Amino acid sequence: AQSVTQLDSQVPVFEEAPVELRCNYSSSVSVYLFWYVQYPNQGLQLLLKYLSGSTLVKGINGFEAEFNKSQTSFHLRKPSVHISDTAEYFCAVTPRGSQGNLIFGKGTKLSVKP
Amino acid sequence: DSGVTQTPKHLITATGQRVTLRCSPRSGDLSVYWYQQSLDQGLQFLIQYYNGEERAKGNILERFSAQQFPDLHSELNLSSLELGDSALYFCASSVVGYEQFFGPGTRLTVL
Repeated sequence: AQSVTQLDSQVPVFEEAPVELRCNYSSSVSVYLFWYVQYPNQGLQLLLKYLSGSTLVKGINGFEAEFNKSQTSFHLRKPSVHISDTAEYFCAVTPRGSQGNLIFGKGTKLSVKP
Repeated sequence: DSGVTQTPKHLITATGQRVTLRCSPRSGDLSVYWYQQSLDQGLQFLIQYYNGEERAKGNILERFSAQQFPDLHSELNLSSLELGDSALYFCASSVVGYEQFFGPGTRLTVL
């Protein structure tokens, strides 16, 4: 079975500061990894994904994440956040070769203050 | 706009009742996934259909069932509703399974 741990439930940060949202996973098989964002009263939008290849993945809205197999981590980073980045961020995994159903972490609420 | 539509947006009903949630996937997507988002459990996978066939099952209660029709839309049926079933229900669709596009969700409130 797989599980995902998002280490911070809430992250407050000032506008234009860098941010890192942490994600660790547990799995006995290889997985694909994802970050999704959920704005208030909306569905989830894919930010980025790691399927294979370079461990540094770039996504939309200036976000990037790095896959670290030895530490089973997939932390999300942005060098300079905007007010509009205020949202909840979810890390998710799915086992390679599965039907693709996602196992999500509990989410991190990013609050960007002016 | 992801291209996935869900109806209704909001549903308020009483305990013991039965409801049906509807999802229309993006054009061309054969896979439909259902997820439940609640404060207690977070986001949990319920069930997946591919081209009309059930392909994967998650933490779906026996009171819940789903199907995917020939036109690829899907319905999630929830019966004998309990207070704890109050949640956001999301549908997602994909072509190959590893990039899912989520609908806006249906917020179910059971009173």
